[in-house]
Amino acid sequence: DIVMTQSPDSLAVSLGERATINCKSSQSVSYSSNNKNYLAWYQQKPGQSPKLLIYWASTRESGVPDRFSGSGSGTDFTLTISSLQAEDVAVYYCQQYYNVPLTFGGGTKVEIK
Amino acid sequence: QLQLQESGPGLVKPSETLSLTCIVSGGSISSNTHHWNWIRQPPGKGLEWIGSIYYSGSMYYNPSLKSRVTMSVDTSKNQVVLNLSSVTAADTAVYYCASHQWEWWFDPWGPGTLVTVSS
Repeated sequence: DIVMTQSPDSLAVSLGERATINCKSSQSVSYSSNNKNYLAWYQQKPGQSPKLLIYWASTRESGVPDRFSGSGSGTDFTLTISSLQAEDVAVYYCQQYYNVPLTFGGGTKVEIK
Repeated sequence: QLQLQESGPGLVKPSETLSLTCIVSGGSISSNTHHWNWIRQPPGKGLEWIGSIYYSGSMYYNPSLKSRVTMSVDTSKNQVVLNLSSVTAADTAVYYCASHQWEWWFDPWGPGTLVTVSS
């Protein structure tokens, strides 16, 4: 199984400041044949189901604000919230879809400082 | 717009079989573009993928649960069924139904249903 490790476990950021979440996979989740990274990011607000934010490591889902961006390749990935808003308080998860079993990171809780 | 809704008993006794239904609306479960998944989340913890099924019956299960999981599709009722046998307290979780298309990211998700395993 591919193990996904997120860091930090939690972070507190002031409104309007940048939040950065890291995700590391135990093996590469990139296929050289198509140069794509099989990595998605989700946002889960309290009491809600996860919501897809980003796929292919950097492609924003339709309707997702452009303050959310994804980057990285191979085994190291980052989700950045460029200017934190109150509604961004949530737990964020990365997920690899390179192979089965599909696996998620442990989550990063983002709070307001 | 595709919508998913999980349903089932909120309490299951240890050693019994957990059975949940995911009702699909806004689209056909026989769609050749969608696969249907179950994912669970123990209280206060992270997400675990249980398995995936296509309307034709092809399926993939998480090896960690494979010996206890059965998934099926009921095309007449437009629903997906999850059965998890020999449950223990460790199976207490919110169970989500989610869809994926050609690539295996999940969207949309159902709201989830909490299942508690207790005598």
